[in-house]
Amino acid sequence: EAQVTQNPRYLITVTGKKLTVTCSQNMNHEYMSWYRQDPGLGLRQIYYSMNVEVTDKGDVPEGYKVSRKEKRNFPLILESPSPNQTSLYFCASTPGTSGRGEQFFGPGTRLTVL
Amino acid sequence: GENVEQHPSTLSVQEGDSAVIKCTYSDSASNYFPWYKQELGKRPQLIIDIRSNVGEKKDQRIAVTLNKTAKHFSLHITETQPEDSAVYFCAATYNNDMRFGAGTRLTVKP
Repeated sequence: EAQVTQNPRYLITVTGKKLTVTCSQNMNHEYMSWYRQDPGLGLRQIYYSMNVEVTDKGDVPEGYKVSRKEKRNFPLILESPSPNQTSLYFCASTPGTSGRGEQFFGPGTRLTVL
Repeated sequence: GENVEQHPSTLSVQEGDSAVIKCTYSDSASNYFPWYKQELGKRPQLIIDIRSNVGEKKDQRIAVTLNKTAKHFSLHITETQPEDSAVYFCAATYNNDMRFGAGTRLTVKP
């Protein structure tokens, strides 16, 4: 089944404790991205990747890191999480190397930073 | 960078009525405009999109119109049904970064 998966789905952590949210897609898509969703603010892009080893900042990259060592995986890293990073996170993938196409979203990861 | 504004933030209609959601964008170079539907507790899913070389696109009860001069685009849902109740997001992109509107919560009352 063609899909985007994220792990974990729910995470409660404490300020400063490094964490990684994994994202994987099995559709051979070149473009992948991370979003955070907060009430009243919609979806805001954190980072995106047009292909392996090619990543760029989105609208709200501060406090986040990403890597794209393989086409299928695009992990989101929070080196030192803070309470303002409490949010619902979505990973997405798109065929092609630009964002101009249908984005297939993962199920979301709800992160709480205490 | 691109800025997308979406109105209204909430919309309530009677079943069978039409619903219209409007978005404006700031970057005249933007050339791709998708609309996503997000049901409660679920992931966003694409319902329709339009590219800048097209003024209107229709898919059954859903249509999107684009006015490049005014830099705005709209989602039209006709003959609304209770299952249309969801949050709808517009978005715009030129290059590789996608900017979303804040969302419209549509409620269709039976």
